[in-house]
Amino acid sequence: DGGITQSPKYLFRKEGQNVTLSCEQNLNHDAMYWYRQDPGQGLRLIYYSQIVNDFQKGDIAEGYSVSREKKESFPLTVTSAQKNPTAFYLCASSVRGQDTGELFFGEGSRLTVL
Amino acid sequence: RKEVEQDPGPFNVPEGATVAFNCTYSNSASQSFFWYRQDCRKEPKLLMSVYSSGNEDGRFTAQLNRASQYISLLIRDSKLSDSATYLCVVNRGQGGKLIFGQGTELSVKP
Repeated sequence: DGGITQSPKYLFRKEGQNVTLSCEQNLNHDAMYWYRQDPGQGLRLIYYSQIVNDFQKGDIAEGYSVSREKKESFPLTVTSAQKNPTAFYLCASSVRGQDTGELFFGEGSRLTVL
Repeated sequence: RKEVEQDPGPFNVPEGATVAFNCTYSNSASQSFFWYRQDCRKEPKLLMSVYSSGNEDGRFTAQLNRASQYISLLIRDSKLSDSATYLCVVNRGQGGKLIFGQGTELSVKP
């Protein structure tokens, strides 16, 4: 079955530690995205990538980093510079850009900083 | 002011009720509009696109008013399974990013 796989589903980390969230897709989509969702708030775009070896900052990129070395993979690193990292992180992909509005999401990763 | 704003909710309705959600957007260059559904602690999924002429999919009707920069979603004959958060989503413009509203929670009771 085609889809997007995020791991881990739940993650706890201590303050000052970096953590990497995995996102893999087998939909053959060119574009991939990382969003953050906080309670009662809409999704906010962290980073996106339209093509391999290229990515752009979204609205809240500070304290995060990404790479896109393979079409299928778009890992997100939450660095110690991110002041409030506890959140629900969602990875998504689309056939091309966001013009069609159809994003396919993974099941999300819940990060809690202790 | 947020770029996309939705009714704050939550909406608590009995089964069979008709419920309407409203959404306003501030960027007049926005070109395309969507409703997503998100179940509790799950990922969002596309419910329907919103076309200028309005569109219907079964019990769901979406309307767009470009002059007022306003989008709506109407659900008729509500089912228990409709309970979820409904997200209004706007594309800023061609090649632009999708902007998500904060969502409106719906709870349908027996």
